[in-house]
Amino acid sequence: AQKVTQAQTEISVVEKEDVTLDCVYETRDTTYYLFWYKQPPSGELVFLIRRNSFDEQNEISGRYSWNFQKSTSSFNFTITASQVVDSAVYFCALSEEMNRDDKIIFGKGTRLHILP
Amino acid sequence: DTGVSQDPRHKITKRGQNVTFRCDPISEHNRLYWYRQTLGQGPEFLTYFQNEAQLEKSRLLSDRFSAERPKGSFSTLEIQRTEQGDSAMYLCASSLARQISGNTIYFGEGSWLTVV
Repeated sequence: AQKVTQAQTEISVVEKEDVTLDCVYETRDTTYYLFWYKQPPSGELVFLIRRNSFDEQNEISGRYSWNFQKSTSSFNFTITASQVVDSAVYFCALSEEMNRDDKIIFGKGTRLHILP
Repeated sequence: DTGVSQDPRHKITKRGQNVTFRCDPISEHNRLYWYRQTLGQGPEFLTYFQNEAQLEKSRLLSDRFSAERPKGSFSTLEIQRTEQGDSAMYLCASSLARQISGNTIYFGEGSWLTVV
């Protein structure tokens, strides 16, 4: 069965610090997709990144970076030089190819507080 | 704005009343999803459509819930005889199935339901 675990329920850091959000997943499929979404207080889920299981290259987008490690089934997200606007709930999610429906399963989320 | 739009954004209703939410997906997106999110939890899958066909329903979708997508464009989610346990945010999402799986799902801002 597919499962996504975000062990950190809530994190608080001071502005400009770096912070890493952990994500561990379980799947029996050999082809799968991993996602991160951001949910600000307004409620909308904002897509951040998609990574397929065959691409283990780390990705960097501005202050955001993602570390995909198949060996440990982890897909961690790092924000460098955090800003107050980064405060939100962040969800890691998984979609399996075998389902052929793009349905994604979410973790419970990590609430990130960036303190000024 | 060409994103997923949902209406109403907020709904307060008395227990036992019926409510209906509408979702307009991103234009030309052929897949449409409904998710439910309660406080402190990640979104949970309810149902999805490929064009006008409803292809999967979660066990979370009780007999009081019905979803439609009559012309393969907008969708409605109706909850009959609402209960306090139905209080949650109902998220709609859509995707364009360019490939079998792994297509990115884009979410709307959600419809908050409070049953009093």
